[in-house]
Amino acid sequence: AQSVSQHNHHVILSEAASLELGCNYSYGGTVNLFWYVQYPGQHLQLLLKYFSGDPLVKGIKGFEAEFIKSKFSFNLRKPSVQWSDTAEYFCAVNARSNTGKLIFGQGTTLQVKP
Amino acid sequence: DTEVTQTPKHLVMGMTNKKSLKCEQHMGHRAMYWYKQKAKKPPELMFVYSYEKLSINESVPSRFSPECPNSSLLNLHLHALQPEDSALYLCASSQGGQTSNQPQHFGDGTRLSIL
Repeated sequence: AQSVSQHNHHVILSEAASLELGCNYSYGGTVNLFWYVQYPGQHLQLLLKYFSGDPLVKGIKGFEAEFIKSKFSFNLRKPSVQWSDTAEYFCAVNARSNTGKLIFGQGTTLQVKP
Repeated sequence: DTEVTQTPKHLVMGMTNKKSLKCEQHMGHRAMYWYKQKAKKPPELMFVYSYEKLSINESVPSRFSPECPNSSLLNLHLHALQPEDSALYLCASSQGGQTSNQPQHFGDGTRLSIL
């Protein structure tokens, strides 16, 4: 069965610090990969996605993620975080053969101190 | 603002009540989804509709009954729920049918409390 693991449950950073959130998945086949963000009191929003091609993908608000197939990883990065990045971040995966079923990681709570 | 609209935003109901959650999108998406999200947990898939047909049921108890009257609407009928069913219920949609490689767009959710 597919599973998604996010290594950091709660991250606290100061503004301008760099961010890297880890995400690993377990599935032997071809996958689609996503990072979603949930700001306090708001709906889940897509940050970025990887389907194929360049493994380094850029998303909204200065976020990027790198797909490393050999490590089954899709880590999220941002060079300099802002207070407004405070939110819950979810990594999600679906198998290319069953794209309707999106499996989420446990989520990482990011708190950015001004 | 999200393009997936869910009503009501909050719902409190007793264990013997019957109520429905509604979801609407006008993006022309042909796949629609119900998720359940408990506090501090990730969303968990409940149902998937593709081209108005139920394609995935994640072994959800029969007290939850989904319905897709047309390509824009998705309902979740609730009956005889248990206190542990209290959660945020999220609706999502994606372009094309279930098998398309398109991301899902989420609504704000309905926060359900069972007394």
